[in-house]
Formats: sequence, structure tokens, C-alpha cells
Amino acid sequence: NAGVTQTPKFRVLKTGQSMTLLCAQDMNHEYMYWYRQDPGMGLRLIHYSVGEGTTAKGEVPDGYNVSRLKKQNFLLGLESAAPSQTSVYFCASSRRDEVTGELFFGEGSRLTVL
Amino acid sequence: GQNIDQPTEMTATEGAIVQINCTYQTSGFNGLFWYQQHAGEAPTFLSYNVLDGLEEKGRFSSFLSRSKGYSYLLLKELQMKDSASYLCAVMDSNYQLIWGAGTKLIIKP
Repeated sequence: NAGVTQTPKFRVLKTGQSMTLLCAQDMNHEYMYWYRQDPGMGLRLIHYSVGEGTTAKGEVPDGYNVSRLKKQNFLLGLESAAPSQTSVYFCASSRRDEVTGELFFGEGSRLTVL
Repeated sequence: GQNIDQPTEMTATEGAIVQINCTYQTSGFNGLFWYQQHAGEAPTFLSYNVLDGLEEKGRFSSFLSRSKGYSYLLLKELQMKDSASYLCAVMDSNYQLIWGAGTKLIIKP
């Protein structure tokens, strides 16, 4: 019962470096999301996808790019990391026809940008 | 703007009852959610309210008043494992989730 899996769990980057966070879900969910969580703030939506091959901007998309080439995978890229992107990143997925809209979260990826 | 307010931190005693409040101002309303998040872990779904009233699920209950823009999560018979952050989130008219900053609940023996 893997659910939603994120890799890597931890990463330290230098300013200007690039990296990709991988999210994989095995529940055949249509919707996938990338959030960031910072102290004293609510979860903020970066990008989301409503199906394979589609992506859309969330509340805080600047500095990030995403791709959903396969239904089960959702990649989050940082092209040129900045200290302001130090955060915990959560991937989540949900069913399209789920009335309650329950989100299933991955365990999080803790990113530090020096 | 859209806003979700909940207390930053609360303390309660093992075996007691605690009520965590959430007030919201959003562009439209398509449901209110409560999630539990233990330190260093992912949020997990607790409850969903879309109509006014109380929804009970074991030791946890959630209440909603749409006219007041208000919800609370009630935890009964508190256990040490209930020490966690509790996140309130509202789905707005665009079906986007707006999240509160969370309430850290500390349970003391």
C-alpha cells in the first residue's frame, strides 16, 4: 500500500542550482497537486494537474515548473533555486469523482536552499 | 481576500475534551475540511462538512455554520497520540482549497 511516494525526502541545494522532485501515486487518481508548507502559514498550492498531459498554476507558481507525462507521476522542477524556496513540499492526489475531495498526501520533501 | 483563521496552539489534558475553532472568509463555499498532521508527517483527512450541523466520527466531531463562516473540530477522550496539528481548509467557488495555518494541539498527561 504505497499510496503517494515522494523522492527525495531531503535535499540541500545551493542558490542557482536546479532539481526535480518526483511524486508517484498508485491509486489511479486523476488529480495531482504540489503544495509547499512554511512555518506559520497554511499549505499553498504551487501547481496542479487534472489529468495526464495537463497542468495548471496554483497560488504560488513562480520559480517552479511541472510535468505530468504519465498519470501516476507528477514532477516538480526548480530551474534556479533561491533561498525563498526553502520549504517542505507535499505532493497530493485525489479522485475526480470523490464528493468529499479528500486529498492523499505524500510524506513530504524537505528542501533547503543555501 | 480569502482568509482562514484558527488558533496557533492549544493545550489540553489526556482524557479531556477540546474544541478547535476555525473561521473563514472565502469567495464561495464548496465544503470545509479538517486534516490531522503529526510533526514531520503528511496531513491525513479527518472530516468534511458541506451542510450546517454536526458530523460525528468516533471520538472526533466537526461542526459547520455557513451563515457564520464558522466551524469547529471536537476531540473527545483525548489520547497522547492526538498531539498533532489540525488543519482547517475551505473549498472556494473555484473548487480550490484555502488552508489555515493549523492549530498545534499539545496533550498533557
